[in-house]
Amino acid sequence: AQKITQTQPGMFVQEKEAVTLDCTYDTSDPSYGLFWYKQPSSGEMIFLIYQGSYDQQNATEGRYSLNFQKARKSANLVISASQLGDSAMYFCAMREANDYKLSFGAGTTVTVRA
Amino acid sequence: DGGITQSPKYLFRKEGQNVTLSCEQNLNHDAMYWYRQDPGQGLRLIYYSQIVNDFQKGDIAEGYSVSREKKESFPLTVTSAQKNPTAFYLCASSMGRAGWSLATEAFFGQGTRLTVV
Repeated sequence: AQKITQTQPGMFVQEKEAVTLDCTYDTSDPSYGLFWYKQPSSGEMIFLIYQGSYDQQNATEGRYSLNFQKARKSANLVISASQLGDSAMYFCAMREANDYKLSFGAGTTVTVRA
Repeated sequence: DGGITQSPKYLFRKEGQNVTLSCEQNLNHDAMYWYRQDPGQGLRLIYYSQIVNDFQKGDIAEGYSVSREKKESFPLTVTSAQKNPTAFYLCASSMGRAGWSLATEAFFGQGTRLTVV
């Protein structure tokens, strides 16, 4: 069963603006990890950021930050100061501690406009 | 250089044939995964393995088979039972296994694009 939900199939953002990509998840395991990946048109998968279920702080990596709302089971990715090279598909993924299965959402396509 | 190698990059299959996609990693990772991606779609998990000689079905295992005889290798066979095999296939690996640290990202190969002709 799909446990990761990304409701935005596609988004447009102006260069230098911020964009938020939504991700909600479902799990009964208290210990889990959340990941965001970027997939450019070349098809490669690029790891962006990680958030653990017990982490007290929201994760940040350069222009990427994760808005983690545990009670709402939400892990939204924020990309600040968008660049043309950010145009890609973005995937949210989750791994549960009791299984190690790594499941992905359907993805969101981001197009950055000059 | 450490990494994951998938081969071939492009593969053509006649209907009714079995084909095997190769995935090799030299990262000393325990866990390995196979995903299928259809155009404009997300990654769907086919099979995954945490240790040698053990693997579990993912969400869309029907028509596929795998083996894990060596830690470095996790080949995927697309059998004739898979009715719509044309897709982009991605292999991934990560450190650890169930009960270990979750804070380890998965590394991906470059993918194999399979087309039925």
